[in-house]
Amino acid sequence: DTAVSQTPKYLVTQMGNDKSIKCEQNLGHDTMYWYKQDSKKFLKIMFSYNNKELIINETVPNRFSPKSPDKAHLNLHINSLELGDSAVYFCASSQDRMNTEAFFGQGTRLTVV
Amino acid sequence: AQSVTQLGSHVSVSEGALVLLRCNYSSSVPPYLFWYVQYPNQGLQLLLKYTTGATLVKGINGFEAEFKKSETSFHLTKPSAHMSDAAEYFCAVSDFGTGANNLFFGTGTRLTVIP
Repeated sequence: DTAVSQTPKYLVTQMGNDKSIKCEQNLGHDTMYWYKQDSKKFLKIMFSYNNKELIINETVPNRFSPKSPDKAHLNLHINSLELGDSAVYFCASSQDRMNTEAFFGQGTRLTVV
Repeated sequence: AQSVTQLGSHVSVSEGALVLLRCNYSSSVPPYLFWYVQYPNQGLQLLLKYTTGATLVKGINGFEAEFKKSETSFHLTKPSAHMSDAAEYFCAVSDFGTGANNLFFGTGTRLTVIP
């Protein structure tokens, strides 16, 4: 049983397309996150959600829109994809917003051509 | 603002040798510090963390790290490297200032273990 699962694992798409990445956690956690890892392996927080509510939105283009239908899911929608969006996107969760241990999914490698 | 600097993007050690991965942090408030490991094509796994209390923290797979406030450091060590330790290691800091455990990562150190 995977604790934090992301789909798809790989995504190749053309510039200008709209795509979504799904994330689900079965840990019963309240807080979920999206991180972006660029080609140099640098990881940066994008969004944090607590109980389906956005609590942090770092400097991310508004083409990126997270959606949390329930606290076990945090999906990432990306509109009008650009070459620079190519990266590995990681979903993570923690028990609550003040808990220090985050559990990460295996990542989604997005390639925009 | 929080930030982390990892010295050395690549570190090579012989099997059985000491592993030392360096991490320095910057934080305006008492930091929470973490080391994560990433194996190829996998997500990140928490190795260990420092929040409060004892400054020497032990983690999984024989790793440990010491929080040194005077040096703003949180270096990761392991007495004897194993081939299975080859991976990417990330140091991270969080202050919960934004109301959540948002992690600010260093640029990572790739550890190679030579047989």
